[in-house]
Amino acid sequence: DAGVIQSPRHEVTEMGQEVTLRCKPISGHNSLFWYRQTMMRGLELLIYFNNNVPIDDSGMPEDRFSAKMPNASFSTLKIQPSEPRDSAVYFCASSQGESSPLHFGNGTRLTVT
Amino acid sequence: DAKTTQPPSMDCAEGRAANLPCNHSTISGNEYVYWYRQIHSQGPQYIIHGLKNNETNEMASLIITEDRKSSTLILPHATLRDTAVYYCIVRVAGAGNNRKLIWGLGTSLAVNP
Repeated sequence: DAGVIQSPRHEVTEMGQEVTLRCKPISGHNSLFWYRQTMMRGLELLIYFNNNVPIDDSGMPEDRFSAKMPNASFSTLKIQPSEPRDSAVYFCASSQGESSPLHFGNGTRLTVT
Repeated sequence: DAKTTQPPSMDCAEGRAANLPCNHSTISGNEYVYWYRQIHSQGPQYIIHGLKNNETNEMASLIITEDRKSSTLILPHATLRDTAVYYCIVRVAGAGNNRKLIWGLGTSLAVNP
C-alpha cells in the first residue's frame, strides 16, 4: 500500500500564475478530500468527492479554485490565478467509504510570491 | 457537531506513558471520538476511535469516561517519533460525515530524551 500520493511536494510560483496540485488516492478508496492548512486557520476542508463526483465544495474559497476527479485514481486542485494569500500546505486524503478513517498524503507546500 | 478542547502543549519523557486529555462536554450519543496525529512535514495520521467503550490498538489506547464528556489518549511507551500534534475530533456516525470533521489546534506533544 503506497498510501495517498501527492505531487509536487513543494511549489513556488509567482502571483498570477496557474498552479495545479495532484493527488492519487489509495486504490479502492472511493472518497477523496482536499484540505488546506495554515498556521492561522489550521486544517480546512476545501472539497469532497464521493465516487469521483464532487459532493461538497462549500469550502472552496473562491472561483479561482477548482478541483476535478476524472477517475477513481486521480484528482487535481487548480488555482488560477494564484495569489500570495494562497500560500499554505494542501493535503489530499482518501477513505474507503464515507465513514472510514481518513488517510492523508504528505501534502504540497505552496508558496506564492 | 460537538467541539473539543485540548491543552495546547504537553511534554513527556521517552519511555514513559503519554496521557493526552480531551474534553467534549457537548458530545451527542451518536458521535464518535477520533484521534489523529500530525508529525512535522507529514499529513495527519489516524490513530484510534471509539464510541463508548475503551479501545486499544497497536498504536494507542483510548479511554472514554462513562458520561462520554471527556477522553484520554494513552501512548504506553512514548518514543521520540511520537513527537507530533495530536488532534481529538468528534464525528457523527453515518455516511458522509467525514466532511464535517472540526480539526481544532490539537495538542503539541514533545517527547524528550
